[in-house]
Amino acid sequence: GAGVSQSPRYKVAKRGQDVALRCDPISGHVSLFWYQQALGQGPEFLTYFQNEAQLDKSGLPSDRFFAERPEGSVSTLKIQRTQQEDSAVYLCASSLGLQEGQPQHFGDGTRLSIL
Amino acid sequence: KQEVTQIPAALSVPEGENLVLNCSFTDSAIYNLQWFRQDPGKGLTSLLLIQSSQREQTSGRLNASLDKSSGRSTLYIAASQPGDSATYLCAGRSGGGADGLTFGKGTHLIIQP
Repeated sequence: GAGVSQSPRYKVAKRGQDVALRCDPISGHVSLFWYQQALGQGPEFLTYFQNEAQLDKSGLPSDRFFAERPEGSVSTLKIQRTQQEDSAVYLCASSLGLQEGQPQHFGDGTRLSIL
Repeated sequence: KQEVTQIPAALSVPEGENLVLNCSFTDSAIYNLQWFRQDPGKGLTSLLLIQSSQREQTSGRLNASLDKSSGRSTLYIAASQPGDSATYLCAGRSGGGADGLTFGKGTHLIIQP
């Protein structure tokens, strides 16, 4: 498959636990984005990477959220001390670059439920 | 800050009709605008991307337009089919392309067989 791959597809955690969500972008895609989608809403931007550099993390809701992409390919979004309001679908997207004509391609997301 | 609004929130039409979905945005310095469809429990499938210098893009039965001066985009679906039933999202990029996408809340479309 040549698409964006996210794992796990579903994650249930107890409040206070740490979780890690993985994203495998399309091979060769330099730009990688994370979004959070609440039920019935459009996705909201969290952060993005250009290769291994995190160039914008302005959308991360708190310092409990941390993202990394150490080798410029796979990315991990980590949420520490999870809270119920963190329950949402987390979507990853990648694109060849930031050029105007480059679309973002999305994975199927990780549905996170915090009990 | 870019804000995106989609009207209507939901739409139900009989099969075979042509229909238009509307999207408005506040920042006319939009870098590009992308239309997606989202099926239940799935991620987003990119349908069309319009660059800031373009006025429309077409793919099969879909046509998307962009009017930066009025802050509007439309997605036209011709000869609708039950398989077109999904949520349609529009999203704009601003900041010279340095920002992530800003999404509307979507239009939930049902095509009645």
